[in-house]
Amino acid sequence: AQSVTQLGSHVSVSEGALVLLRCNYSSSVPPYLFWYVQYPNQGLQLLLKYTSAATLVKGINGFEAEFKKSETSFHLTKPSAHMSDAAEYFCAVSAWGNNRLAFGKGNQVVVIP
Amino acid sequence: GAGVSQSPSNKVTEKGKDVELRCDPISGHTALYWYRQSLGQGLEFLIYFQGNSAPDKSGLPSDRFSAERTGGSVSTLTIQRTQQEDSAVYLCASSSPTGGYSYNEQFFGPGTRLTVL
Repeated sequence: AQSVTQLGSHVSVSEGALVLLRCNYSSSVPPYLFWYVQYPNQGLQLLLKYTSAATLVKGINGFEAEFKKSETSFHLTKPSAHMSDAAEYFCAVSAWGNNRLAFGKGNQVVVIP
Repeated sequence: GAGVSQSPSNKVTEKGKDVELRCDPISGHTALYWYRQSLGQGLEFLIYFQGNSAPDKSGLPSDRFSAERTGGSVSTLTIQRTQQEDSAVYLCASSSPTGGYSYNEQFFGPGTRLTVL
C-alpha cells in the first residue's frame, strides 16, 4: 500500500520568501508522486508530477519538486511566494498500474504581505 | 473543452434520508473516481470505474454507499440512510484510459458539499 506524510497543517510564509512544503512517501513499489493545489470552493488542480523520468520536476506557477529515493521524499518548493499562492496543497502517491491516489493531510498555506 | 462537472454543488439533508450525487466526466475519459474530503479523514479514495465496471470499490466506507456508471459516462454516488459522519465534500475525477507504464492525469470536479443535519 502507498501513503504520504505531510507535516504542519498550516504554513505561513512571507510574500517573496521561499515556500517549502515537505512530503515523505511510503510505497512498496516504484511510486508516482504528485502535488495538487486546492483553492477555496474549487476542486484539485495538478501542480506537478513525478513518473520516473527526471527527478527534478517543474510545474505550474513556478513550483518545482525533487524526488529523492534515498530520503523517500518529494518536497515542493517555490523560490518567491506570491499572494496568489495562498491555498491548500496536497501531496499524493499512486503505484504503477494503479491510478488510485493516496493523499496526505494537506498544508494550508497563508502568505503574509 | 468542458471539465468535470458535479451536481448539486451543495446538498443539505436530514439524517436518515437518501442522497444522490452526480458526476459528469470529461468526454472520452473512460476512468472515473470518487473521493471524499472531510475534516477528520482528509482526502480518501472511495471507488474507481473503468468504463461501467468498478474494479476497485474498496474505499466505500459501508454498505450504505453505492455507485454506478452508465454508458461509460455519468456516474451517480448514492448514500442511503445518511449519517452525520457522512458530511463531507465528495469529489469526482476522470482520466483518459489507464494502464501500462503511463500515468494519466486525473482531472477533478469542484465537488459536492454534503451536510447531514
